[in-house]
Amino acid sequence: AIRMTQSPSSLSASTGDRVTITCRASQGISSYLAWYQQKPGKAPKLLIYAASTLQSGVPSRFSGSGSGTDFTLTISCLQSEDFATYYCQQYYSYLALTFGGGTKVEIK
Amino acid sequence: QVQLVESGGGVVQPGGSLRLSCAASGFTFSSYGMHWVRQAPGKGLEWVAFIRYDGSNKYYADSVKGRFTISRDNSKNTLYLQMNSLRAEDTAVYYCAKDFHIAAAGTDAFDIWGQGTMVTVSS
Repeated sequence: AIRMTQSPSSLSASTGDRVTITCRASQGISSYLAWYQQKPGKAPKLLIYAASTLQSGVPSRFSGSGSGTDFTLTISCLQSEDFATYYCQQYYSYLALTFGGGTKVEIK
Repeated sequence: QVQLVESGGGVVQPGGSLRLSCAASGFTFSSYGMHWVRQAPGKGLEWVAFIRYDGSNKYYADSVKGRFTISRDNSKNTLYLQMNSLRAEDTAVYYCAKDFHIAAAGTDAFDIWGQGTMVTVSS
């Protein structure tokens, strides 16, 4: 199975900061990558698909980039409602879809 | 509105069985592939199983292969997960999730998720 490695596993930031989360695939996945946001006790929410396409209704301060094995999620100006855990997911290999381990964004 | 609602979770002894359901509404259920994803307490997300929109193809994570069966009834707009030979490590919140694009073959992001149902395997 394709392994997805996210870093960092957690970070502390302040409102207004620029935050970057990275995700590395153990083999090339083209642009078959999604990013999700999950808040405690809630289901994940799709933020970005196809590595860089913003899901409808998601604020433009979120952006994604990358292809192949290296990907990035950037939050340009962190807002209070953005404190959450973020997951990347590859959907290149339909036989075994895999998620990264998650990045928890906490208030500094 | 577009909605997925899971049910059927509970407490079961090791070796036992449970069937989860996911009721879909607000979209053409029969046109979309569907997934089950689980999350153990305090842990990350783990994909469990996929079923194609017409039920013709099913894929499973190695951790559940041979024990879990995904199925769907398009006439009832309902997705199922039959879980047999349950183990302590199957304890998790189980989410159903919908493929983003119509008739996708499993290689797609998940745009709609249910609220989850908790399964606890314990003696």
